[in-house]
Amino acid sequence: DGGITQSPKYLFRKEGQNVTLSCEQNLNHDAMYWYRQDPGQGLRLIYYSQIVNDFQKGDIAEGYSVSREKKESFPLTVTSAQKNPTAFYLCASSLGVGSTDTQYFGPGTRLTVL
Amino acid sequence: LAKTTQPISMDSYEGQEVNITCSHNNIATNDYITWYQQFPSQGPRFIIQGYKTKVTNEVASLFIPADRKSSTLSLPRVSLSDTAVYYCLVGDGVFNKFYFGSGTKLNVKP
Repeated sequence: DGGITQSPKYLFRKEGQNVTLSCEQNLNHDAMYWYRQDPGQGLRLIYYSQIVNDFQKGDIAEGYSVSREKKESFPLTVTSAQKNPTAFYLCASSLGVGSTDTQYFGPGTRLTVL
Repeated sequence: LAKTTQPISMDSYEGQEVNITCSHNNIATNDYITWYQQFPSQGPRFIIQGYKTKVTNEVASLFIPADRKSSTLSLPRVSLSDTAVYYCLVGDGVFNKFYFGSGTKLNVKP
């Protein structure tokens, strides 16, 4: 069954701790993305990756880090430098990053920093 | 950056046709227009994509005028389950990044 998985669905962390969110896809897509969504707001791009071992900053990359060691995986680390990390995090993938490349989204991870 | 502007919210009743318009004045020549649907606490889902004129699939139609500075998503005979946020998306045109605006919250009433 193809798709994108994110784990965990809910995550709680204490302030000052780094936390890593998982994103895995078996769609054989080259491109992967991370978005952040705050309540009642749209999606904001954090990082995206066009190919393995390459990634680019999005609009709100400060306080976040990513890696792309495998085509299937694009984990996101929320560091203690992120001022307000509590949000809904969405991972997506697409064949490429062109305008016609449909993005397929995972179910999301809701992160709450206590 | 090819940003988009949409109405914040719309109300409709079951069985009506709903038209949501998106403005994208800075769309680039090679950009396509894509619409997504998002339910609460879920990831967005692809609805339809087009470049010019009209595109229709089993769930919606997309109308794009000749100047491509706007587009209209048309949902025929909506039901309560169509209550969601709808996003209009265009490519950056330079870096191929995507910009999700704040979307339009559609509320379908019985």
